[in-house]
Amino acid sequence: SYEVTQPPSVSVSPGQTASIACSGDKLGEKYVCWYQQKAGQSPVLLVYQDTKRPSGIPERFSGSNSGNTAILTIGGTQAMDEADYYCQAWDSSTGDVVFGGGTKLTVL
Amino acid sequence: DVELLESGGRLVQPGGSLRLSCAASGFNFRTYSMSWVRQAPGKGLEWVARISGNGAETRYADFVKARFTVSRDNSNNTLYLSLSDLRVDDTAVYFCARRTVAEDRWGQGTLVTVSS
Repeated sequence: SYEVTQPPSVSVSPGQTASIACSGDKLGEKYVCWYQQKAGQSPVLLVYQDTKRPSGIPERFSGSNSGNTAILTIGGTQAMDEADYYCQAWDSSTGDVVFGGGTKLTVL
Repeated sequence: DVELLESGGRLVQPGGSLRLSCAASGFNFRTYSMSWVRQAPGKGLEWVARISGNGAETRYADFVKARFTVSRDNSNNTLYLSLSDLRVDDTAVYFCARRTVAEDRWGQGTLVTVSS
């Protein structure tokens, strides 16, 4: 079955840009979305179809996907951005979805 | 506003069965696919199952192995997940979510604990 991989943790200083990678075989040929989950809360959709943001999601959250890697970029990182971030890949041929293992973002 | 409210989670013994419910409101339920996603304690998200808006199409993660069944009652705006032959490693918070191009709205989850 298809798998996507994320780094377990990423650290960033306040105001800097954080990048979280998601890797998988030919991932660029699939749609990727990203979720944020704060402690004790349900996940929130941040990015869908690689680059699109739902209404209400700040512009500083952006996504890209090419080759074998998708990247979530958080510009001007704030303390409130400390959370777990999950990528999800959707295989349009099978309809299956798969989540990455999640990345814990720490804002130091 | 879109609301999804899961219920039915509880302590159950290995080998037991359970049915989870997800009550939906604030949107035209019958026109949306719905998903179940679970999260074991301290672990990541794991997709479980999905059902189309009219209930005709379902899809399951490989690990389900016919133990779980997703269904829906569009007349009552309710999504279900029937769990059987439960194992200790099925212990998790089970979330229901509305599926469009992604899981765009999530409930708060219901905890299933499988233990003797």
